[in-house]
Amino acid sequence: SYVLAQPPSVSLAPGTTARFTCGGDNIGTKSVHWYQQKPGQAPVLVIYYDTDRPSGIPERFSGSNSGNTATLTISRVEAGDEADYYCQVWDSSSEHVVFGGGTKLTVL
Amino acid sequence: QVQLVESGGGLVKPGGSLRLSCATSGFTFSDYYMTWIRQAPGKGLEWLAYISNSGNTIYYADSVKGRFTISRDDSKNSMYLQMNSLRVEDTAVYYCARDGGGFTHWGHGTLVTVSS
Repeated sequence: SYVLAQPPSVSLAPGTTARFTCGGDNIGTKSVHWYQQKPGQAPVLVIYYDTDRPSGIPERFSGSNSGNTATLTISRVEAGDEADYYCQVWDSSSEHVVFGGGTKLTVL
Repeated sequence: QVQLVESGGGLVKPGGSLRLSCATSGFTFSDYYMTWIRQAPGKGLEWLAYISNSGNTIYYADSVKGRFTISRDDSKNSMYLQMNSLRVEDTAVYYCARDGGGFTHWGHGTLVTVSS
């Protein structure tokens, strides 16, 4: 089955740039969606179809996808960005939705 | 505005059954694929099942295939998850979500606890 690999944690100072990677075999050929989940809350879609931002998501959030790695980038990180971030794809071979294990962002 | 509200969670013994519901409003339910996703305590997101807008196409995660059944009733703008043969490892918050290029809208979740 298709596997998405995410580093478990990232720690950064406010104002810096956060990059969350999501590794998968030829993930560049798939559409990647990213979710933000704060403690005790449901996930929120922050990037869809690799690069698109839903309305209401700040321009500081951006995405890219190529080769074997998709990346979510958050510019000028704020304390309010502290959350878990998950990548997700549809694997047509297995007809399964696949989530990465998630990356916890800590803002120092 | 779009709303999804899960219900039906609770405490159940191993081997027991539960039926979760997802009541929706604020959009044309019959136009959308819908899905169930769960999250065990302290763990990541796990996709469970997917149902097309017509209800004719259904997919299941291997972990629940044969035990869980997803369904929908467009007349009630609702989706369901019938869960049988529940196991301790099924303990989780269960979310319903609407598909639309990623899962654009989620419910608040309902907690299912499987314990003797």
